[in-house]
This record gives sequence, C-alpha cells and structure tokens, in this order.
Amino acid sequence: AQKVTQAQTEISVVEKEDVTLDCVYETRDTTYYLFWYKQPPSGELVFLIRRNSFDEQNEISGRYSWNFQKSTSSFNFTITASQVVDSAVYFCALSEANNYGQNFVFGPGTRLSVLP
Amino acid sequence: GAVVSQHPSRVICKSGTSVKIECRSLDFQATTMFWYRQFPKQSLMLMATSNEGSKATYEQGVEKDKFLINHASLTLSTLTVTSAHPEDSSFYICSARGIDSVNYGYTFGSGTRLTVV
Repeated sequence: AQKVTQAQTEISVVEKEDVTLDCVYETRDTTYYLFWYKQPPSGELVFLIRRNSFDEQNEISGRYSWNFQKSTSSFNFTITASQVVDSAVYFCALSEANNYGQNFVFGPGTRLSVLP
Repeated sequence: GAVVSQHPSRVICKSGTSVKIECRSLDFQATTMFWYRQFPKQSLMLMATSNEGSKATYEQGVEKDKFLINHASLTLSTLTVTSAHPEDSSFYICSARGIDSVNYGYTFGSGTRLTVV
C-alpha cells in the first residue's frame, strides 16, 4: 500500500534561515512518481516538483532543492534563505505509475511559518 | 499548458440544498478526473475517481448518492453535493489526468471552498 509520511506538522523559522521539510514514502511498486506541492492560504495547490523513481539526481531550482534517496525512501525539500512568502502548507505526494489512472496519495502536510 | 479550471471558488449554501462544482480541462483531454476533499488543517483525501464515460469509483466511506460525479466529456467533470449539511463544509479540489500526464504530472484545479449554513 502507498503511504506518505511528513513527520513535521509545523515548522517556524525566521526569515533567511534554511529549512528542510522531510518526506518518507512507502510503496511496493518499482515505478512511481514523487511530488511536492505548496498550498498557500488561498488554497490552490502550486506544483513545485515531480521526480520519477528512476531519477535519483538531486535538483535545485533557485532557493529550492530536493534530495531524493531511494535507499531511505525519502524525498526531502530544502528552502534556502527562507522568505515570508514561503509561508504555506507543503505537501509531499506519491503516485504509482503501474496502474493507469492511479491517483495521488498525499502526506499530511507541513505548515511552514516564516517569521520576519 | 495543462490548465484545469474549477468553479466556483467559493460557495455558501443552505442546509438541505444541492451544490454543483465544475472542473474543466482547458487545453487537454482529461481521461481521468479525481475529486479530493480537504478539511481544515488536514491533508487532501481522495473521494472518487472518474473516467470519461464511466461511472465514478468512490473511496470507502464516501457516499456515492450524496456526492454525484459526472464525467460526460473529456473536458468536464462535475461534483454535486446533494442535500448538503454543515459537516459537508470543506475544500473540494479536482485534478485531471490526460494521456500525457505521466510525463508532466497531474494538474489540479484551484479548489472550491464550500460552506453549508
């Protein structure tokens, strides 16, 4: 069965600090996709990244970086030099690709508050 | 590309009435639509999956007679909350998967915040 765990329920940091959001997943499939979404107070889901199970390269996009480690089933997300606008709920999600039409399984989310 | 439009963004209705939420894929054909519900400070939980032209598949615990899902075309799916009650107040969000979605991931609508008074 699929499962996504985000152990940090809430995190508060001061602006310009770096922060890492943890994500651990469970799946029996060998082919799957991992995602991170940002949900600001307005509610919409903002797509941040998609990573497939065969690509373990870490990725950096501006202040964002992701560390994918299959050995520990983790897909952690780091925000460098955090800003107040980064305050939101962040969801890690898993989608198994073996069954066409398979839906997402979302983690419980991590609420990040960046204080000025 | 891959835009999903969801309407309305907010709706307030009286208890006992029905509310329809629309989800449209604007620039691709959505072979599969997913409907999620999110209660305050909680994660998104899948309610149902619908493939175009077929009956929706509901997750355990979701009443199919209460949450009517129609996916009659490749660009439109609707969720109707029938005889709404205050406990149905929630954030509803759809996502659409097209033939090419394996390559770029699913696309989500902007969500509908339903308040039943």
